[in-house]
Amino acid sequence: AQSVTQLDSQVPVFEEAPVELRCNYSSSVSVYLFWYVQYPNQGLQLLLKYLSGSTLVKGINGFEAEFNKSQTSFHLRKPSVHISDTAEYFCAVSAAGTYKYIFGTGTRLKVLA
Amino acid sequence: EAQVTQNPRYLITVTGKKLTVTCSQNMNHEYMSWYRQDPGLGLRQIYYSMNVEVTDKGDVPEGYKVSRKEKRNFPLILESPSPNQTSLYFCASSSGQNEQFFGPGTRLTVL
Repeated sequence: AQSVTQLDSQVPVFEEAPVELRCNYSSSVSVYLFWYVQYPNQGLQLLLKYLSGSTLVKGINGFEAEFNKSQTSFHLRKPSVHISDTAEYFCAVSAAGTYKYIFGTGTRLKVLA
Repeated sequence: EAQVTQNPRYLITVTGKKLTVTCSQNMNHEYMSWYRQDPGLGLRQIYYSMNVEVTDKGDVPEGYKVSRKEKRNFPLILESPSPNQTSLYFCASSSGQNEQFFGPGTRLTVL
């Protein structure tokens, strides 16, 4: 079975500062990893994904994440955040070859002016 | 426009009154799934379907039913809703084990 942990429920950060949202997972098999963003009163949309290949993954809106197999982590980073990045961010894992998805509990990013 | 639609968007009902939340996608995706979102718990998968007539349980299937008679539709059925099923529900679809496209959500309140 897989599990996902997002340790930070809320992250406040000032505009133009860098941010890192942490995600750790556990799995005994190969996994696919995803980061989704949810803006207020909306559904989720994909930021980026890791399926295979390069461990540094670049996504939309200037976000990137690095897959670290030894530390079982997939942290999300952005070098300079904007007010418009204020949203909830979810990390998700799926065992390769299955269609079961496990989502983390989410991290609320609040960008302050 | 490629999209996942859900109806209704908002629903208030009473305990025990059967209801169906519809989900439809126009992207010819094989995979569809239902999630519920609760504060502090993130999204939890209820049921998923790999193709027509193929469904399987997610992590929280109790109290829910699904069917997949057509590729584009994946309705969620609550035969006898209870207050603990008050939640925000999302339908999603994807092509293979890849990016999921989410619907706008259905906010359900069971009194």
